[in-house]
Amino acid sequence: AQKITQTQPGMFVQEKEAVTLDCTYDTSDPSYGLFWYKQPSSGEMIFLIYQGSYDQQNATEGRYSLNFQKARKSANLVISASQLGDSAMYFCAMILDNYGQNFVFGPGTRLSVLP
Amino acid sequence: ETGVTQTPRHLVMGMTNKKSLKCEQHLGHNAMYWYKQSAKKPLELMFVYSLEERVENNSVPSRFSPECPNSSHLFLHLHTLQPEDSALYLCASSQDTGPTNTEAFFGQGTRLTVV
Repeated sequence: AQKITQTQPGMFVQEKEAVTLDCTYDTSDPSYGLFWYKQPSSGEMIFLIYQGSYDQQNATEGRYSLNFQKARKSANLVISASQLGDSAMYFCAMILDNYGQNFVFGPGTRLSVLP
Repeated sequence: ETGVTQTPRHLVMGMTNKKSLKCEQHLGHNAMYWYKQSAKKPLELMFVYSLEERVENNSVPSRFSPECPNSSHLFLHLHTLQPEDSALYLCASSQDTGPTNTEAFFGQGTRLTVV
């Protein structure tokens, strides 16, 4: 069954340090896309980064990078130089070709950045 | 500004009321989604529309009725809701459904309270 696992319900990081948020996924489909979203307390879901299953290089977007290890089925989000505004819930999600044409979301990780 | 706008941002309604949530996108996307986010539960897909046709309905109670009059607008009509329907309702859009998407955007959500 298609599934996203985020094993860290909560994480703390010191401001200006880097942090890695874990995400593992389970699918037998060869074609899929992986997303990370940030959800601040306001509730909106902010798109951060995308990685396609056939992409050869790890995706990067500013301070965000995705450590994609296809054989291990992991897609960890790395945030460099954490800022106080990075405190939020972070969701890993997968979109598949044949899974009802929708996203599968992980349970989320709450990141708290400490001053 | 993500390009996906939801109104209202907050809604309080009684169990006998009828109300509608609105989602609008002008990104030229063909697919739109309704999600429900309850406290301590993962995001639940409610409805998927592709090119204005419903392609997914995850056994949502009939008190929730979606409408997609055109590719830019998506509504969620609510009637005779229950207190357990109180949640954050998120709208999303993507170019298409399936793993060829490289980005998908969410609205800011409508926080619904049923009293």
